[in-house]
Amino acid sequence: GENVEQHPSTLSVQEGDSAVIKCTYSDSASNYFPWYKQELGKGPQLIIDIRSNVGEKKDQRIAVTLNKTAKHFSLHITETQPEDSAVYFCAASIQSGGYQKVTFGIGTKLQVIP
Amino acid sequence: EADIYQTPRYLVIGTGKKITLECSQTMGHDKMYWYQQDPGMELHLIHYSYGVNSTEKGDLSSESTVSRIRTEHFPLTLESARPSHTSQYLCASSYAGGNSPLHFGNGTRLTVT
Repeated sequence: GENVEQHPSTLSVQEGDSAVIKCTYSDSASNYFPWYKQELGKGPQLIIDIRSNVGEKKDQRIAVTLNKTAKHFSLHITETQPEDSAVYFCAASIQSGGYQKVTFGIGTKLQVIP
Repeated sequence: EADIYQTPRYLVIGTGKKITLECSQTMGHDKMYWYQQDPGMELHLIHYSYGVNSTEKGDLSSESTVSRIRTEHFPLTLESARPSHTSQYLCASSYAGGNSPLHFGNGTRLTVT
């Protein structure tokens, strides 16, 4: 089955600096890669996603890159703000017929220091 | 604003009690899921459903059961709660077609004493 590795598990950055979270996956059939942000006391919320036919996607301060050959994908947050502090999860998803299998990384706890 | 609702948010209950965690969504999603989240943050799939009268067990073995009698409702039941069931339970839903993102509720934090 699919295996998603995520690192680092914790990350502290100064406000205004950039943060990068990296994930690798094992199954080349995975073709959808969402990122979720989980704030304290809430469920994970989708912040950005990328499909396997795209190498990079950007939404304001957030960008995701995908390297299918290396089976790597990364989340980049620029100009970090205290409200970016949360737990971030990457995921790899396989769609086959009506079946969708989602595998999550273990999560990265990001702390933005004011 | 959440379109998927979980109740209760917090539940403290004694060993041996039967409990039901409620999950409802207003988005008309066919797919629904239950995840267990341990203190180490990792998400474990325990149940999923692809539509009414469809339920399957997930990757993590669980003593809980689920039902899907209505599209919008996906309750999780524990017949006899034990301290080992203490955890955060997250419900999610998604569209039926293709790879699509999960929409999560805010979870139920269950403590069994």
